[in-house]
Amino acid sequence: NAGVTQTPKFRVLKTGQSMTLLCAQDMNHEYMYWYRQDPGMGLRLIHYSVGEGTTAKGEVPDGYNVSRLKKQNFLLGLESAAPSQTSVYFCASSRNYRGGDNEQFFGPGTRLTVL
Amino acid sequence: AQTVTQSQPEMSVQEAETVTLSCTYDTSESDYYLFWYKQPPSRQMILVIRQEAYKQQNATENRFSVNFQKAAKSFSLKISDSQLGDAAMYFCACMEYGNKLVFGAGTILRVKS
Repeated sequence: NAGVTQTPKFRVLKTGQSMTLLCAQDMNHEYMYWYRQDPGMGLRLIHYSVGEGTTAKGEVPDGYNVSRLKKQNFLLGLESAAPSQTSVYFCASSRNYRGGDNEQFFGPGTRLTVL
Repeated sequence: AQTVTQSQPEMSVQEAETVTLSCTYDTSESDYYLFWYKQPPSRQMILVIRQEAYKQQNATENRFSVNFQKAAKSFSLKISDSQLGDAAMYFCACMEYGNKLVFGAGTILRVKS
């Protein structure tokens, strides 16, 4: 099992450009998440999905859009990148219930720089 | 909204010694979960230990244990017999309804040989 994978690993954008980050998981998890990590602030939730075809806003959703067309994939889009979106982005997935098996599994992260 | 506070930006420990990382949280939920994640320089997020709020017994995973004080909303991580491989950023997190994690700002742990 590959677990959670993210594409690409690194990207440099110019202000105003758009891009899509792809997250894929092979664990048949219902829940998927997108976080951003900034120095001194830990990880913050951008958007999440509780199942195929559903998405919801997290703590810092502005400037981002997401889609979950297939259960195994969760896409994060930046329509018009801004320097404030320079960050490391993590995707995660988990089962769909709270209990002893509710661990979130994380991808390796994508480092995005917006000039 | 939930908040998680890690008041130690950086900690150091001598190899083979014991170190404790602090975490406090605030939540209005009665049923919740607490986690410690490790992030080495590789950037990969690794689950260290998990605690269910309804369990009074402190969780333990080999050299890692927690001191869970529910009334004080405190959740500290103790690392015994510290090893060079323990050097990393450590994040405390609280899981709220919907399986969403709220993270603290992190503590950098340095291990001296």
